[in-house]
Amino acid sequence: EAGVTQFPSHSVIEKGQTVTLRCDPISGHDNLYWYRRVMGKEIKFLLHFVKESKQDESGMPNNRFLAERTGGTYSTLKVQPAELEDSGVYFCASSQVWNTEAFFGQGTRLTVV
Amino acid sequence: EDQVTQSPEALRLQEGESSSLNCSYTVSGLRGLFWYRQDPGKGPEFLFTLYSAGEEKEKERLKATLTKKESFLHITAPKPEDSATYLCAVQATGNTGKLIFGQGTTLQVKP
Repeated sequence: EAGVTQFPSHSVIEKGQTVTLRCDPISGHDNLYWYRRVMGKEIKFLLHFVKESKQDESGMPNNRFLAERTGGTYSTLKVQPAELEDSGVYFCASSQVWNTEAFFGQGTRLTVV
Repeated sequence: EDQVTQSPEALRLQEGESSSLNCSYTVSGLRGLFWYRQDPGKGPEFLFTLYSAGEEKEKERLKATLTKKESFLHITAPKPEDSATYLCAVQATGNTGKLIFGQGTTLQVKP
């Protein structure tokens, strides 16, 4: 069974540019999460989808971040325009039921220069 | 505010030297406590879920326990391949599936 897949694995962009991260969850998992780890800090929650609906977006830092989940399958996280403080590793996770273990992708390392 | 604190930040052991990692948490209500292992350049890998005080789970050389204020991850006779960062996370009642993570404990096991 394929795990959670994230694209790209690395991205280096200039301040002010736009970047889109993609996550393909485990097939059949209705719950999809985005997390972020900035250097020296703990992994922090960004948002939670149930199918195509946003269940909780309390962790989204500001309106430069836009997450979508088309048809309840894959998800994208767009940062526009990117700022230096957006640098970090973005993780996607999915779970079958919302209160059980979530399985993580390998992460996308975003560097804004 | 819900919070998770892990200690120590780093731990170096000799192969075969058993030890414990600590995860202290403060939450309005605990729905579940999760342990993950993370290797460099990879995403967190699920190890255990604990739901209530007194519960214990085991997997190979790892054993996780839970009290009302903290969890321990006991490592018995570790091997070099157990070297990794161990992450603790809690899911609070009333929330969605959101996990609140600690900063992790980086374990190095020397042969």
